[in-house]
Amino acid sequence: NAGVIQTPRHKVTGKGQEATLWCEPISGHSAVFWYRQTIVQGLEFLTYFRNQAPIDDSGMPKERFSAQMPNQSHSTLKIQSTQPQDSAVYLCASSPGGAGNTLYFGEGSRLIVV
Amino acid sequence: AQSVTQPDARVTVSEGASLQLRCKYSYSATPYLFWYVQYPRQGLQLLLKYYSGDPVVQGVNGFEAEFSKSNSSFHLRKASVHWSDSAVYFCAVSRTGGYKVVFGSGTRLLVSP
Repeated sequence: NAGVIQTPRHKVTGKGQEATLWCEPISGHSAVFWYRQTIVQGLEFLTYFRNQAPIDDSGMPKERFSAQMPNQSHSTLKIQSTQPQDSAVYLCASSPGGAGNTLYFGEGSRLIVV
Repeated sequence: AQSVTQPDARVTVSEGASLQLRCKYSYSATPYLFWYVQYPRQGLQLLLKYYSGDPVVQGVNGFEAEFSKSNSSFHLRKASVHWSDSAVYFCAVSRTGGYKVVFGSGTRLLVSP
């Protein structure tokens, strides 16, 4: 089992450019989560999908951030017009589904906006 | 909404000493409770989780945690730490019937030789 795969592992982007982060969940897992990790804010919930449908995006900044899950094998987090405050590690996790299930995390994508 | 407080940002213990990392949660009912660990440049990994039953739950690598409903706490313990336990530890909560997992701010553990 390959685990959750996130690409790219590191991305440096200029202010105002777009950044797209990819996540491949563990095969058979029905839930996919995105979190943002920074020193100041810690681990912030962004959004999650269940069976590819968006269920809760309450943590997503309303402007510039969007997430999709076009098929069961990958999800994307897109940040338009990136700003320095978007610099963070973005973590993707998948779960077999069901309340209380373990989250299996990828190693994260470190985004640096210069 | 559920929330988690980890009051200690950093904890330093000597190798071989015992350890307790504190976690307090806020939720009206009994939630799902978790401890995750994050080693440098890695994602989070589950140490243990609790929902019901024996309030002391065993996890991997000798870790255990004790649930206290009266104190709304879920403290993590280990009898004897090893240098390889140095990492960031996160307490997390998920409400009954829910999927969203809310994490605490984390406690960075440094085990000194």
